[in-house]
Amino acid sequence: DGGITQSPKYLFRKEGQNVTLSCEQNLNHDAMYWYRQDPGQGLRLIYYSQIVNDFQKGDIAEGYSVSREKKESFPLTVTSAQKNPTAFYLCASSLGQGNHNEQFFGPGTRLTVL
Amino acid sequence: AQRVTQPEKLLSVFKGAPVELKCNYSYSGSPELFWYVQYSRQRLQLLLRHISRESIKGFTADLNKGETSFHLKKPFAQEEDSAMYYCALRGGAQKLVFGQGTRLTINP
Repeated sequence: DGGITQSPKYLFRKEGQNVTLSCEQNLNHDAMYWYRQDPGQGLRLIYYSQIVNDFQKGDIAEGYSVSREKKESFPLTVTSAQKNPTAFYLCASSLGQGNHNEQFFGPGTRLTVL
Repeated sequence: AQRVTQPEKLLSVFKGAPVELKCNYSYSGSPELFWYVQYSRQRLQLLLRHISRESIKGFTADLNKGETSFHLKKPFAQEEDSAMYYCALRGGAQKLVFGQGTRLTINP
């Protein structure tokens, strides 16, 4: 069940600390995405990247940062500026350019702020 | 603005009964619609997309541009259909806009 992996599965953070969530894919996909999943709110897009060294803000980017230095990796940093960081975070990837490209999702990371 | 609405957070039906999960969207252009499913302890995965016009696991969905809907239907529900279902829209860039999700429970 490889393809796209996220680590760790569970993450605990103290208030005021930054934390980085890992997302790696070996599908040779150009595009990668980060979503936040909250009960009753569905998935909301945080950041996305259509190509290496480029990324765009999604709908709820405040308090988050990303980098895309390698095609395979798209780490997400949850900063202390994020007011309500406790959530389930999903990473996804797709072929990118062109139409009808399916997004493939990772298993997710559950972040809890103590 | 792009928006997807799934009016039912929870839906419960008996095994063998028909199922319909509602999805309405708002988009000024020509949308691309998807249904994603998340079974217990599994990853979110694509169930079907409107352009393929196929039936997956007995589910179908027809894009109705007049009513801006993309409801998911299955004539006879099975217990293994119990899951969280998300409707999603892609309106231009590669990013998807998801609805709030509907948790479907099939009772034996």
